[in-house]
Amino acid sequence: GAVVSQHPSRVICKSGTSVKIECRSLDFQATTMFWYRQFPKQSLMLMATSNEGSKATYEQGVEKDKFLINHASLTLSTLTVTSAHPEDSSFYICSASQTGAKGYTFGSGTRLTVV
Amino acid sequence: QQPVQSPQAVILREGEDAVINCSSSKALYSVHWYRQKHGEAPVFLMILLKGGEQKGHEKISASFNEKKQQSSLYLTASQLSYSGTYFCGTESNNDMRFGAGTRLTVKP
Repeated sequence: GAVVSQHPSRVICKSGTSVKIECRSLDFQATTMFWYRQFPKQSLMLMATSNEGSKATYEQGVEKDKFLINHASLTLSTLTVTSAHPEDSSFYICSASQTGAKGYTFGSGTRLTVV
Repeated sequence: QQPVQSPQAVILREGEDAVINCSSSKALYSVHWYRQKHGEAPVFLMILLKGGEQKGHEKISASFNEKKQQSSLYLTASQLSYSGTYFCGTESNNDMRFGAGTRLTVKP
């Protein structure tokens, strides 16, 4: 089945630094990937839709300059949290769908802690 | 807009049945159901495409009423392994949004 690899799985960073999270489709091409954020005991909130070769589409209230998304190839999308603050601490997770396939496959998620 | 899920939480004894509902105010292309264990990524259970279908997966099945923009997930003869948070995801306009989740606990 379709596999989406996400890393790092855990990262701790200092306030003010930037963190890059990678999401890679291992055995299929994904023209679209989605980035979600999940706070404890809450649902997955869509942050942005990442489109290969074009600018990402951000949800209302999500700062595009803070959460930089790059989808440079059909198998890789990256999310960079810039100038991270403690309130950015959360579980970030990506998902992708194989063309013609059913359902979305999620990456394993990245737990970001900003200290 | 997020779909609305109900109930928020349910506690079952092993072998009992449960129904989780999901409704949307938007016209839907499809409804997806996922289960998430604590600290893990969501796992895909099934997808229902518009056309008003019902699908099954072992003892877990679901229906999709396109006209009402509603879907229900049915868990029969629940097992301990069914415990987790269930999310419905609704797909429209090429994006996927999730309900708030239903926390299901199955006790022996």
